[in-house]
Amino acid sequence: DQQVKQNSPSLSVQEGRISILNCDYTNSMFDYFLWYKKYPAEGPTFLISISSIKDKNEDGRFTVFLNKSAKHLSLHIVPSQPGDSAVYFCAATPGTYSGGGADGLTFGKGTHLIIQP
Amino acid sequence: DTAVSQTPKYLVTQMGNDKSIKCEQNLGHDTMYWYKQDSKKFLKIMFSYNNKELIINETVPNRFSPKSPDKAHLNLHINSLELGDSAVYFCASSHRLAGTDTQYFGPGTRLTVL
Repeated sequence: DQQVKQNSPSLSVQEGRISILNCDYTNSMFDYFLWYKKYPAEGPTFLISISSIKDKNEDGRFTVFLNKSAKHLSLHIVPSQPGDSAVYFCAATPGTYSGGGADGLTFGKGTHLIIQP
Repeated sequence: DTAVSQTPKYLVTQMGNDKSIKCEQNLGHDTMYWYKQDSKKFLKIMFSYNNKELIINETVPNRFSPKSPDKAHLNLHINSLELGDSAVYFCASSHRLAGTDTQYFGPGTRLTVL
């Protein structure tokens, strides 16, 4: 029973264009969401997060959008660069302030982003 | 100045053996975690631990046990290794008791059980 779903196993985008990675969740208790980037043979690297009290968070080229009613979030990368080629994981947690969080993050299966020159 | 480190990076061993994976974080975080990434690439929480509570994912066999000598370390001990234990294990940490849920991960340990 996947509580966090990334339905696109892979995505190919031209360099300089916008990359949009999508994530859906089913657990209404989730209120803190994160995106991680992972290169082969390395650990996940934290990219950006968003709390459920917001609908957008921006950090440089990365923007995360949250639609709570649809239980959907997306990560926008603009402009896309060759170094962005990696697997991107969406993760969620009930969050410490909601009384949860100690049971760890729930991850999606990841989307392999390929930036083409 | 690695934030979360794990040793060894690769571990190859025989079925039935007992092994340990070490994890250290120098971020001053209060909570540490172990995750397993299986062959289907799912990352799943195994344990969450701070000095007040240990939370164990109910699917984790009791052959797995976390040991924390101090706040900066959370080692993973595995007894009687089985073929199905082959996976990549990631350690992570966060400043959870300070209200931050962002977790920072180590580089992973690839365990192969023959």
